[in-house]
Amino acid sequence: EDQVTQSPEALRLQEGESSSLNCSYTVSGLRGLFWYRQDPGKGPEFLFTLYSAGEEKEKERLKATLTKKESFLHITAPKPEDSATYLCAVQAVGGSYIPTFGRGTSLIVHP
Amino acid sequence: EAGVAQSPRYKIIEKRQSVAFWCNPISGHATLYWYQQILGQGPKLLIQFQNNGVVDDSQLPKDRFSAERLKGVDSTLKIQPAKLEDSAVYLCASSDRAQGTPYEQYFGPGTRLTVT
Repeated sequence: EDQVTQSPEALRLQEGESSSLNCSYTVSGLRGLFWYRQDPGKGPEFLFTLYSAGEEKEKERLKATLTKKESFLHITAPKPEDSATYLCAVQAVGGSYIPTFGRGTSLIVHP
Repeated sequence: EAGVAQSPRYKIIEKRQSVAFWCNPISGHATLYWYQQILGQGPKLLIQFQNNGVVDDSQLPKDRFSAERLKGVDSTLKIQPAKLEDSAVYLCASSDRAQGTPYEQYFGPGTRLTVT
């Protein structure tokens, strides 16, 4: 069974304090790993797709990396507007293409 | 480009009552998904449509949940009868990618259902 575990569950940072969120996964074969941002009362917003180990993608203060067992979302010099829940999802090779989501990391950035 | 539309945004019902949710995907998106997101958890896929055909409904509780996508555009998700554990946010998403291709999904704002 595909599994996705995100850590930490919650993270509080001061503005400008860089950190990383972790997403570890267990799948028979990875077709794609996705990062989404979810603000309170809204649906998830797509951020990145990673396909293979060693791949990296960047968007503003966010950088996503992928290894064979986990992905990191690095947040450099965060601002209060980066506060949100960050969700990781994986899609496995073969069989059903159902994406499996983790529980998310709730990030709060204090000014 | 207009996003995924959902209605209603909030619904409160008593257990054993029925409820229906509506979703209008992004224009031209052939693939549509319904997710259930319980508070503090990630979204769980209930059903996936490709045009007006069901691709996967293996996680849909078919004794009480049903969904349809007539004409391959709008979709409705129905719960009858509702149970307390159905309290959750129901998210609709769409994609312009074909099944099997790693794809990003575009989510609507969701419908928050409270069953009392």
